[in-house]
Amino acid sequence: DIQMTQSPSTLSASVGDRVTITCRASQSISSWLAWYQQKPGKAPNLLIYEASNLESGVPSRFSGSGSGTEFTLTISSLQPDDFATYYCQQYNSYPLPFGGGTKVEIK
Amino acid sequence: EVQLVESGGGLLQPGGSLRLSCAASGFTFRNYAMSWVRQAPGKGLEWVSAITGSGGSTYYADSVNGRFTISRDNSKSTMYLQMNSLRAEDTAVYYCAKEKRGVRDAFDIWGQGTMVTVSS
Repeated sequence: DIQMTQSPSTLSASVGDRVTITCRASQSISSWLAWYQQKPGKAPNLLIYEASNLESGVPSRFSGSGSGTEFTLTISSLQPDDFATYYCQQYNSYPLPFGGGTKVEIK
Repeated sequence: EVQLVESGGGLLQPGGSLRLSCAASGFTFRNYAMSWVRQAPGKGLEWVSAITGSGGSTYYADSVNGRFTISRDNSKSTMYLQMNSLRAEDTAVYYCAKEKRGVRDAFDIWGQGTMVTVSS
């Protein structure tokens, strides 16, 4: 089975900062990777699919890149609404594991 | 409006059984694979199980294989998760999720979740 590893697990940043989160797969998943944002008490929300495609309605400050085993989620200029936990997920093959999550906190 | 609504959660003792439901609306349910994802209190997301649009293929995480059964009734636009031999570690919010474009895809629509608590 494929394992997904995210780093860092926690990130402290200020409004306006550029933020990068990394996700690594234990074997190649081509571009079959999604990124989600989750706020406390809420369901996750899809941000990026197929590694770099922005989901409809998601602000353009979010972007994704990578292929194979290494992927990144970048927030170009952190906004107050972006303080949340972010998860990657592979969907190359079943099972469909998530990364452990990255909590973006206010510095 | 595209919507998923889970129901059936509750408090039960270890070894018990429970069936969760996920009612879909606003899209052609039979055309999309669906999944269950859970989140233990204070923990990350864990994919649990998936079912193809026709219901002909099902997939499970190792942690629930043999204890949980996923199914769907396309005539009712509803997905189910039958959970047997429940353990304390199954305590979580259970979300249903729709795959974006059909089979094995990102999850573009999520339900609000239903809480399952397994405790003596």
